[in-house]
Order: sequence, then C-alpha cells, then structure tokens
Amino acid sequence: ETGVTQTPRHLVMGMTNKKSLKCEQHLGHNAMYWYKQSAKKPLELMFVYSLEERVENNSVPSRFSPECPNSSHSFLHLHTLQPEDSALYLCASSQARTGPVDEKLFFGSGTQLSVL
Amino acid sequence: GQNIDQPTEMTATEGAIVQINCTYQTSGFNGLFWYQQHAGEAPTFLSYNVLDGLEEKGRFSSFLSRSKGYSYLLLKELQMKDSASYLCAGMDSNYQLIWGAGTKLIIKP
Repeated sequence: ETGVTQTPRHLVMGMTNKKSLKCEQHLGHNAMYWYKQSAKKPLELMFVYSLEERVENNSVPSRFSPECPNSSHSFLHLHTLQPEDSALYLCASSQARTGPVDEKLFFGSGTQLSVL
Repeated sequence: GQNIDQPTEMTATEGAIVQINCTYQTSGFNGLFWYQQHAGEAPTFLSYNVLDGLEEKGRFSSFLSRSKGYSYLLLKELQMKDSASYLCAGMDSNYQLIWGAGTKLIIKP
C-alpha cells in the first residue's frame, strides 16, 4: 500500500451515533491534516498534527475530535453530528508543516459522510 | 481578509486549450498551488509557483503575477481525462493554505 489511505470510503450515520474515520500514510511524512470538503466551498482545514503538536481551527465544533497516535496514523472521532456535517472528509500528509514553502500535500480519497 | 477567487465551472472541447484563472489575497505570500481532483478521488498536486512567470510541465502550465495577485493554469491538447475540478490555493506568511472553491472543468468531445 502506498500514499494516503482513508477508511471507510462512505459512511452513513445517525445524529446519535459515534464513529471514527481512519487515515494512514505510508510516505514517511511528519505532518497530517484533516480537511472538510463541502460542495462548491473551499477546503476547510480542521486539524493539523505536526511532530506530535496539534493545531486546530477554532471554528471546528467539539463533536469532532482528532487523534494522532503516531506520525503514520490519524483518526477523526465523530459524536452527535448534525446534518450540516455531511461532507467529504479528506486526510492529507506532508513532509513538514513549516518546512520548505513548496511543501505539497498528499491527499487520501476521503470519506463521504452522510448524517441523517 | 484572505480570499481566493476562481470560476465555478468551465467547459472546453477535446483537443483545445483552456485557461483557468485564480486571483488571490493573502496576508503575506509564500506561493500558489494548483491541485487536480477527479470526482470521488483525492486531490493531486499539479504545480507550485512562487516567482513571477510561467512554468511548463508537459500539457499543463502555471503562471503567476505577484504584483497582480493573479495566477492561471493553462491546459493544452485537452483530453477527456482532464475533466476534473481544479483547486487553487495560496500560502500565506504563516504557511497556511487559503483555498478557492475549485473550478469544475467539463471537456466535451
């Protein structure tokens, strides 16, 4: 397996469920990211993990909580979501967060989440 | 505020040339990225510009004018597989990426 792998690819959940999205990168990178992608809207950065430090977007609701047990794995835990949280959730990695300015992101294919 | 503007949708013909424009406003500037995203797939890196001018990579070229806050992605000899969304992103002085909403490019035979 190469690149960035996300599971599951699709998820349907009720508002009272708890679920987790998983991301794994096989690139030896040091930074991992979670993005929300809604139709016709810019990518929204939710969380960044870099060298075990977490940086988050203060506008992200607490019903989303990230976990990054090591530099290769990250989880996005979901709890009591709302219908407006339905979107594509993308994980990405990069070699460094504040390294060379031409640092490019490698994305996974995402989890398409539907909240009923 | 920080902002990236790009057209929502464009249509072009197979074999032709298309230019996708992007204007940006960022707090400081550390470069401009273009990504390609096919429907249901991961965005993939296309180009990075930090100096003014045109950079060519095969059928794809990217241009930057820092004084105008403007970039474009030029696609030549269009193929059906080029049908995708093209995402423009500017990097600010804090290394944060500011994303546009993407341009959906439709290629017709």
